[in-house]
Amino acid sequence: EPEVTQTPSHQVTQMGQEVILRCVPISNHLYFYWYRQILGQKVEFLVSFYNNEISEKSEIFDDQFSVERPDGSNFTLKIRSTKLEDSAMYFCASSLGTDTQYFGPGTRLTVL
Amino acid sequence: KQEVTQIPAALSVPEGENLVLNCSFTDSAIYNLQWFRQDPGKGLTSLLLIQSSQREQTSGRLNASLDKSSGRSTLYIAASQPGDSATYLCAVSTRPGNGNQFYFGTGTSLTVIP
Repeated sequence: EPEVTQTPSHQVTQMGQEVILRCVPISNHLYFYWYRQILGQKVEFLVSFYNNEISEKSEIFDDQFSVERPDGSNFTLKIRSTKLEDSAMYFCASSLGTDTQYFGPGTRLTVL
Repeated sequence: KQEVTQIPAALSVPEGENLVLNCSFTDSAIYNLQWFRQDPGKGLTSLLLIQSSQREQTSGRLNASLDKSSGRSTLYIAASQPGDSATYLCAVSTRPGNGNQFYFGTGTSLTVIP
């Protein structure tokens, strides 16, 4: 069964460094998303991406965040200058239409 | 802003029992509602999706219902098994268009005791 994959599973970085989190959505899906979950808190929406552009973003998704679909398979989230409060589990999701979203296993980001 | 609440926060039941998990949301103008399970340290597994025009969806031992007007959904699990132990999350989206923004509840942590 097709699934969303994410790499790395765990990323440790120093405050102020740039990180890129990578996702491979399900191949025929058209909508792509990033969510995050700070330990013990709710899953929060960051951004949705469709037709090679951002379609929605939350107030969390400020200028230090960016997303890109550099080729036909990868979908990336870049955090330019990480802060301690960016430590969280980051989930990528994809959907064929505006319906069921399929989530990846997540990347745990630890900012020291 | 849409607020999603799940009750109870934690639930422990003996194997074989039927159980109901509750989800409530503040804005009834939803587009769809999705139930997920999350195992510790893992991603989210989609269980059921209910469109706003639907009243319920069933998959195996799971049945999800939706009452939009009252802002409620329930997830019914029949004949619970130890493998059902996980955190169950409810998420609602409030508008269609180019991508759904899901709002999540804090989840119900379910433990099924053998």
